[in-house]
Amino acid sequence: AQSVAQPEDQVNVAEGNPLTVKCTYSVSGNPYLFWYVQYPNRGLQFLLKYITGDNLVKGSYGFEAEFNKSQTSFHLKKPSALVSDSALYFCAVRDRGSTLGRLYFGRGTQLTVWP
Amino acid sequence: DVKVTQSSRYLVKRTGEKVFLECVQDMDHENMFWYRQDPGLGLRLIYFSYDVKMKEKGDIPEGYSVSREKKERFSLILESASTNQTSMYLCASGRGTRISDTQYFGPGTRLTVL
Repeated sequence: AQSVAQPEDQVNVAEGNPLTVKCTYSVSGNPYLFWYVQYPNRGLQFLLKYITGDNLVKGSYGFEAEFNKSQTSFHLKKPSALVSDSALYFCAVRDRGSTLGRLYFGRGTQLTVWP
Repeated sequence: DVKVTQSSRYLVKRTGEKVFLECVQDMDHENMFWYRQDPGLGLRLIYFSYDVKMKEKGDIPEGYSVSREKKERFSLILESASTNQTSMYLCASGRGTRISDTQYFGPGTRLTVL
């Protein structure tokens, strides 16, 4: 069975400080991993994905994520948070053995960056 | 740019009504998905389709059906709406040829059933 856990419902950080949004996963094989962001009353926007290769993945808006196979984690990071980064963040996983392309999402983490 | 559109941003219906939510994508994607989003529960997959007239149940298909008569359009149908179907509904599409491909989401339909 495939699943994703986002252990924090909320993350609060001051503007200019580094931020981390945590994600751990469980799949039967090797994973494809994704991060999406949702701004209020909007659909999800793709941020970045890990497919293979370098464990550090860079994405949109200055975000990056680190894949750690031994810890089965894919934490989202940004060196310096902006107030405009405040949003709901979702981690998702797909098993490489999957033939139908469905994603399994975590429950989301609400990020609040205060001025 | 990939564009996924949904027929309504906000919808208010009465209990027992038949409700149609429409989704259209313009990138010739094979796969299309319907999710519902509820606070604290994240995204839950209702149905998905990997080809015209093909569909698969997701995790919460009860009370819903779908239709995919054309490749670009995927409809979600609430046969008899109930108050517990009040939710945000998100449509997504993605290519089926490479499993690493990204899913792209529409803006969502916030449905209220009274």
